Amino acid sequence: SQTIHQWPATLVQPVGSPLSLECTVEGTSNPNLYWYRQAAGRGLQLLFYSVGIGQISSEVPQNLSASRPQDRQFILSSKKLLLSDSGFYLCAWSERTEAFFGQGTRLTVV
Amino acid sequence: QKEVEQNSGPLSVPEGAIASLNCTYSDRGSQSFFWYRQYSGKSPELIMSIYSNGDKEDGRFTAQLNKASQYVSLLIRDSQPSDSATYLCAVNPDDYKLSFGAGTTVTVRA
Repeated sequence: SQTIHQWPATLVQPVGSPLSLECTVEGTSNPNLYWYRQAAGRGLQLLFYSVGIGQISSEVPQNLSASRPQDRQFILSSKKLLLSDSGFYLCAWSERTEAFFGQGTRLTVV
Repeated sequence: QKEVEQNSGPLSVPEGAIASLNCTYSDRGSQSFFWYRQYSGKSPELIMSIYSNGDKEDGRFTAQLNKASQYVSLLIRDSQPSDSATYLCAVNPDDYKLSFGAGTTVTVRA
């Protein structure tokens, strides 16, 4: 069966510091991969998605970037965090239409 | 206009009652529709998928789809305290992306 791993679960980072969140999927090949952000009490905002290695589509212009160095690995990065980057970051995968989420990373920028 | 709209709630129902959640979407070409349940502090969990007009039942959950009206609903029968969560409606506007509503918070009163 497929599983998705996302880490860390929580993170507190100072403004201006870099960020790297990692997500890996097991039990499937060539999945579609997604990064979402959820602000407190809000819905899910799609940040990036990838349909293959090295292929990244950005939905929202901001100071975040994403990379897919391997088929089942998806990384979210930032060079300098802003206060507004705080939120609940969720990685997800899909083979066709249904998406399945990792446990999420709660990021607090202080 | 938001792509996916839901009643924000909160929706409070007594234990054993039916909870009815509504969702409308703007992209008439959407073909896939989902309901996710999200407990406080946790990641969303897929509970229902529906692709054709009509009703789809799974245990105590029934999803209803009306593409002509661009409307999706979720009924929770015999509501239990464990059903207290935020329910997210999601729609596939194209092959790769899921658009989410802001969610409806349901509280089941014992």
